[in-house]
Amino acid sequence: QVQLQESGPGLVKPSETLSLTCTVSGYSISSGYYWGWIRQPPGKGLEWIGSIFHSGSTSYNPSLKSRVTISIDTSKNQFSLRLHSVTAADTAVYYCARVYTGMSVDYWGQGTLVTVSS
Amino acid sequence: EIVLTQSPGTLSLSPGERATLSCRASQSISINYLAWYQQKPGQAPRLLIYGASSKATGIPDRFSGSGSGTDFTLTISRLEPEDFAVYYCQQYGSSSLTFGGGTKVEIK
Repeated sequence: QVQLQESGPGLVKPSETLSLTCTVSGYSISSGYYWGWIRQPPGKGLEWIGSIFHSGSTSYNPSLKSRVTISIDTSKNQFSLRLHSVTAADTAVYYCARVYTGMSVDYWGQGTLVTVSS
Repeated sequence: EIVLTQSPGTLSLSPGERATLSCRASQSISINYLAWYQQKPGQAPRLLIYGASSKATGIPDRFSGSGSGTDFTLTISRLEPEDFAVYYCQQYGSSSLTFGGGTKVEIK
């Protein structure tokens, strides 16, 4: 059974960098698929942040591209998100996920709430 | 960027009734890249349908997806109590994923 678990600080100060890591179990990320990050502001809808292939190639949401870096560490079976220069608008539940057939998302982490506040 | 518009915003129905949810794209998308999700409060979304009409593993037969081009539909043939939730459509195109704004299916 594939499982994903997000980890990282739950509180980040404005203008700083949000950093999260997703640890995958039950599947070797070097075997294939895209791996991605999706967020959901409280009470609102879902927003794709970006994805990374096991080879390291990335694609990002154009609206966030200038502030986002997604990286992968196949030796640890992890991938990570860095979002720079955060503001209160970046407060959200952040999900890591596996991108499946047809670029749908079949496995999700439980999500972690990140609040941007001083 | 392709924009997905879901309607209605809220659907008020009783258990046993049929639910029809709409997802309209701002431009034509491949059926291979249209998916539907269910989300309950405090939980991550769950994949229901991928490729516009293929059911994900473990999804009951009462859920079905259809459509092509710019118009897609998720149908729940007979609502069970556990089906009351928010539903999102999602597409992939031009190296970008986008989600619709969601339809809430609530108990009437």
